[in-house]
Amino acid sequence: SQTIHQWPATLVQPVGSPLSLECTVEGTSNPNLYWYRQAAGRGLQLLFYSVGIGQISSEVPQNLSASRPQDRQFILSSKKLLLSDSGFYLCAWSTTRTDTQYFGPGTRLTVL
Amino acid sequence: AQTVTQSQPEMSVQEAETVTLSCTYDTSESDYYLFWYKQPPSRQMILVIRQEAYKQQNATENRFSVNFQKAAKSFSLKISDSQLGDAAMYFCAGGRNGGSQGNLIFGKGTKLSVKP
Repeated sequence: SQTIHQWPATLVQPVGSPLSLECTVEGTSNPNLYWYRQAAGRGLQLLFYSVGIGQISSEVPQNLSASRPQDRQFILSSKKLLLSDSGFYLCAWSTTRTDTQYFGPGTRLTVL
Repeated sequence: AQTVTQSQPEMSVQEAETVTLSCTYDTSESDYYLFWYKQPPSRQMILVIRQEAYKQQNATENRFSVNFQKAAKSFSLKISDSQLGDAAMYFCAGGRNGGSQGNLIFGKGTKLSVKP
């Protein structure tokens, strides 16, 4: 069966510091991968998605970037965090055959 | 452009009773999917049910069922025999068929409370 992992689970970072969140998927090959952000009390906003290694599409211009160095690894990064980057970050995957997305446990990021 | 609207910020139901959560959507696509996701206090998004737009039959998963009214662009979730574990945020979402694009549009959610 497929599983999706995210780490860290919780992160507190000062403004201006770098960021690296990691997401990995097991049990499937060539998944579509997604990064979402959820602000407090809000729905999900798609940040990036990837259909293959090195292929990244950005949905929202912001202080963040994404990379996919391996087939089942998706990384969310920032060179300098802003207060507005605080939120709950969710990674998701889907197959190329269906639109059903399955989510990881998420990372709670607080920027102070 | 696609939009998904959940007009009920909060709902409450008595344990063992039935509750219906509302969702409306708007899309210019002819081939799309609709979803309900549950987000418990742990905040992991869990797929509850999925409906393919071309299917007229309403999807059902155990105690969860949908009422899909394509002409009215309505996609409501019915939870029967509500349990304490059903308490969570519920998000309606829509996506265009054709996995490589894969952008799901989410509503703002409905917080469901279950009273013992």
